[in-house]
Amino acid sequence: NAGVTQTPKFQVLKTGQSMTLQCAQDMNHEYMSWYRQDPGMGLRLIHYSVGAGITDQGEVPNGYNVSRSTTEDFPLRLLSAAPSQTSVYFCASSTDRPLEREGLPGANVLTFGAGSRLTVL
Amino acid sequence: AQSVTQLDSHVSVSEGTPVLLRCNYSSSYSPSLFWYVQHPNKGLQLLLKYTSAATLVKGINGFEAEFKKSETSFHLTKPSAHMSDAAEYFCVVSVLYLYQKVTFGTGTKLQVIP
Repeated sequence: NAGVTQTPKFQVLKTGQSMTLQCAQDMNHEYMSWYRQDPGMGLRLIHYSVGAGITDQGEVPNGYNVSRSTTEDFPLRLLSAAPSQTSVYFCASSTDRPLEREGLPGANVLTFGAGSRLTVL
Repeated sequence: AQSVTQLDSHVSVSEGTPVLLRCNYSSSYSPSLFWYVQHPNKGLQLLLKYTSAATLVKGINGFEAEFKKSETSFHLTKPSAHMSDAAEYFCVVSVLYLYQKVTFGTGTKLQVIP
């Protein structure tokens, strides 16, 4: 059981270049999300998805696109990278069912990938 | 609307002394509350969670947290700090209304002095 897998772990881009951060989970989780982590700001939600074909914006969506064509995959696209997008990116997934109803100890708990460190020059 | 406030950005304790990391939250709905830990250059790991059962929640590595609704607090404690506890800790509130909405605090860095 691999959990949440993110690739690449490290990436350096030049301003204006595009790239995709990949995220895959094998736990059949409905909910997937992307966060960026910057010093002193905690984790901020970029985009999230509650199921295949359904995505929505989080707190800091500008400059990023997402899609959810399958339950397993949730890629994050930077169409034209900017230095302000230098950050560590985390993908996370969970079931969206309440613990009390389902009785599942893992429900509603976010499982994180190991992170992707992106530098934009 | 919901928010999370971690009252200290840095906490420094001596090894063997108690740890207290403070977290206050606000939420329009009954929240689930979590503490996650992040060791340097690592991903985030769940420490413990509160989901409307017992208000005193025990987690891994000797940590526990108490949910106090009247104070809207969910402080993290440990009786005796260990060097391996040095990390950044995040308080998280999650509300399941139509969809799961998750909000992170800004984090507290815990330093443990030998």
